[in-house]
Amino acid sequence: ETGVTQTPRHLVMGMTNKKSLKCEQHLGHNAMYWYKQSAKKPLELMFVYNFKEQTENNSVPSRFSPECPNSSHLFLHLHTLQPEDSALYLCASSQERAAETRIEQFFGPGTRLTVL
Amino acid sequence: TQLLEQSPQFLSIQEGENLTVYCNSSSVFSSLQWYRQEPGEGPVLLVTVVTGGEVKKLKRLTFQFGDARKDSSLHITAAQTGDTGLYLCAGPASGGSYIPTFGRGTSLIVHP
Repeated sequence: ETGVTQTPRHLVMGMTNKKSLKCEQHLGHNAMYWYKQSAKKPLELMFVYNFKEQTENNSVPSRFSPECPNSSHLFLHLHTLQPEDSALYLCASSQERAAETRIEQFFGPGTRLTVL
Repeated sequence: TQLLEQSPQFLSIQEGENLTVYCNSSSVFSSLQWYRQEPGEGPVLLVTVVTGGEVKKLKRLTFQFGDARKDSSLHITAAQTGDTGLYLCAGPASGGSYIPTFGRGTSLIVHP
């Protein structure tokens, strides 16, 4: 248990479906992240939220839409995805300290997404 | 973009063997982190190294940060089946960002 939970753990969806991934952290952190992990590729940062404000959007297609209603919850809304979007989607949180050059991220277990 | 190259990509060994995995870059990093990701789970931070030449030990795992802060190694002594997983190194991205950039990882399987 890392203090970061993700639901669902597995999701299969068609290209025309709309679904949402949920992440919740119980660590009192103020920064939350979405990563995509595909086979044979490094972890790809998608979005960063700091104190509920989006601070990074790593050129992610608009079919992925993040939402951060408060510093403990993060959503990733999915619509009209493509089969190449199938991957493990990881949520992470950290206590952001802007003056430092390192942070410790705590990851959730991920949502395994399959797009048919 | 600062790239982190990890080697080997895959490693399959018997329980009790020793192994070393590497994380290399052409860029200098202010710090490097090692994570382990077990099957079906997210990465878990093992260690952060910040000083060139630094050596940190975590039970049977020994982490070293290169003198020039461009590379790091992880040595496991007497591997156990519980060491199976994906070992990732990460360092702050360029441009003063505090957000880590990750290597592709070394996938380790330890057979009983």
